[in-house]
Amino acid sequence: DARVTQTPRHKVTEMGQEVTMRCQPILGHNTVFWYRQTMMQGLELLAYFRNRAPLDDSGMPKDRFSAEMPDATLATLKIQPSEPRDSAVYFCASGLQGFTEAFFGQGTRLTVV
Amino acid sequence: DQQVKQNSPSLSVQEGRISILNCDYTNSMFDYFLWYKKYPAEGPTFLISISSIKDKNEDGRFTVFLNKSAKHLSLHIVPSQPGDSAVYFCAASARNQGGKLIFGQGTELSVKP
Repeated sequence: DARVTQTPRHKVTEMGQEVTMRCQPILGHNTVFWYRQTMMQGLELLAYFRNRAPLDDSGMPKDRFSAEMPDATLATLKIQPSEPRDSAVYFCASGLQGFTEAFFGQGTRLTVV
Repeated sequence: DQQVKQNSPSLSVQEGRISILNCDYTNSMFDYFLWYKKYPAEGPTFLISISSIKDKNEDGRFTVFLNKSAKHLSLHIVPSQPGDSAVYFCAASARNQGGKLIFGQGTELSVKP
């Protein structure tokens, strides 16, 4: 059963700490997206990769967020230092280039206190 | 700059009636449109899509209509069922510009028995 796997599912951390969220895309998918769900913006695109190369990360606050794909089976989103306003649900999705749909993971619910 | 807009945060309909969810976009380069459904504590799941070369796509109880001149699309659910209660996200992509998938803010649909 092919699916996108995100870890951890929940994370509570103190302000100023580093947070790392991980995503395992569906095997064979070459496009990976990171989204943040907020009440006002809905699903806000933070970054996306194709064939492990970043295509667009204009949605990320560059001073504290970073996204990487160390290999084709792992995408990471890091926040350093974290702030209370970063509290949200972060989703990873994967698809194929020229895709007809993107498949989402179950999300990481981040709470920064 | 919200390129994809869902102006109704919520919608309530009676079971058996039609639900109509609306979405507007601003980027004329978008050529592919999708609807996703999201239950609490889960990731969004793909529902239905439409290419810009069509003006209608139907899948069972779900129909998506596209009006390119108005830059507007809508999702019709008929008949609505209580299990359809969820948040619905509209998304758009310009596949010849990298395929970045942009989402709207979502509309929460409540179908009452």
